[in-house]
Amino acid sequence: DAKTTQPPSMDCAEGRAANLPCNHSTISGNEYVYWYRQIHSQGPQYIIHGLKNNETNEMASLIITEDRKSSTLILPHATLRDTAVYYCIVGTQGGSEKLVFGKGMKLTVNP
Amino acid sequence: DTGVSQDPRHKITKRGQNVTFRCDPISEHNRLYWYRQTLGQGPEFLTYFQNEAQLEKSRLLSDRFSAERPKGSFSTLEIQRTEQGDSAMYLCASSHASPDTQYFGPGTRLTVL
Repeated sequence: DAKTTQPPSMDCAEGRAANLPCNHSTISGNEYVYWYRQIHSQGPQYIIHGLKNNETNEMASLIITEDRKSSTLILPHATLRDTAVYYCIVGTQGGSEKLVFGKGMKLTVNP
Repeated sequence: DTGVSQDPRHKITKRGQNVTFRCDPISEHNRLYWYRQTLGQGPEFLTYFQNEAQLEKSRLLSDRFSAERPKGSFSTLEIQRTEQGDSAMYLCASSHASPDTQYFGPGTRLTVL
């Protein structure tokens, strides 16, 4: 079973920041938070991951709370192409780790 | 990197037929994963290779399913005696051993009539 919970859906206006929440209250000390997204009929796309520090790359920022029980993925300027199902996943790094996906959260960016 | 590729992208077959899918990972990625995704659900892990060795198999991988990675490069997933319940998107991903971020291919959509 997935170790994360996400709201089923969220809307965002184009050009605004999209803040996608994720709860992972049972995360272990060596587990990372990974975010993937899946645009309709395509394979999942890696976005970002982090352990405890906030992370930023060209796609998004990841904010992890100090207790690591929740995190937020931030898309700073959402576009229509960001409409997708977003998956928050916890897992260790360096093992054989299979990704355990939940149902994810459908983000709809509206014009 | 050219990305993970999968072939075919779509496959329609009749119940009872055998099908085989191919995955070409990102070059130099020694790990390769297969997942299955049904409508409205997230992907579910099926099996995992490190080089040519199949190291883990999910209980979802029934006896009708077999996966190989003979030379540690491309992989094939075969389903024998397909059933309607096998209809799904079959996804392949690859990664280095470290860091082991997984990168997915576009998937093969199987429809069993």
